[in-house]
Amino acid sequence: AQKVTQAQTEISVVEKEDVTLDCVYETRDTTYYLFWYKQPPSGELVFLIRRNSFDEQNEISGRYSWNFQKSTSSFNFTITASQVVDSAVYFCALRGAPTGNQFYFGTGTSLTVIP
Amino acid sequence: DGGITQSPKYLFRKEGQNVTLSCEQNLNHDAMYWYRQDPGQGLRLIYYSQIVNDFQKGDIAEGYSVSREKKESFPLTVTSAQKNPTAFYLCASSKTGRSGANVLTFGAGSRLTVL
Repeated sequence: AQKVTQAQTEISVVEKEDVTLDCVYETRDTTYYLFWYKQPPSGELVFLIRRNSFDEQNEISGRYSWNFQKSTSSFNFTITASQVVDSAVYFCALRGAPTGNQFYFGTGTSLTVIP
Repeated sequence: DGGITQSPKYLFRKEGQNVTLSCEQNLNHDAMYWYRQDPGQGLRLIYYSQIVNDFQKGDIAEGYSVSREKKESFPLTVTSAQKNPTAFYLCASSKTGRSGANVLTFGAGSRLTVL
C-alpha cells in the first residue's frame, strides 16, 4: 500500500523561528519519489522539491532544507528563520516508480507564521 | 509563459445540475489529472489521463465524468449523481516517461459550491 502521513494538522510559529514539518510514508516499491508542495492562500500548489529513493542526501535551498531518512521512512521539511510569506499549507507526496501514475498526498500541514 | 488555466475560479450550482470545469494546459504535457480537495483530507484523485482519448478512474470517480479529446484540454463534469460536490477542484499535468520522477504542475483551482 502507498500512504503518506502528515501528523501535524496545524502549526503556528512566530516569525524568525525555525519549524519542521513531518512526513512519514509507506510503500512497498523499491524505487519511489517523494515530493513537497506548497499551497498558499491563492490555492495553486507550487512544487518545492523531489527526491528519489536512492538519494538520501539532505538538501538545502535557501531557508528550506529537507531530511530524507529511509530507515524511518521520513522526509521532513525544515524552514529556517520563518517569514510571514511562508504561511501556507504544505503537502508531502509519494509516487511509486513501477506505476508512476498516481501521486499519494498527505493531508497537509497548515503553517501560520505570526509577525 | 506555460501553465495550466482553470475556469471558472468560483462556481455556484443548484442541486441537480451538472457543471463542467475547464482545464487547459500549454506545457505540452501528455498526462493530466483532476483532484478534489476537502478540508483535512488532502488531495484525492478523481480521474487521470495519460494520452488523448484515454482516461482512468481515480479513487473517487463516482459522480464525475471527463473527456480528453485534445492534448491541451481535460474538462471535468460534476454530475447530479455526485452527492457532495462542494469542494475545491485542482487540475494538474505532467510529462510521462521517467516513471515516477515527473513533477505535477497545478492550476489555480476551481471552487464549486452547491446551493
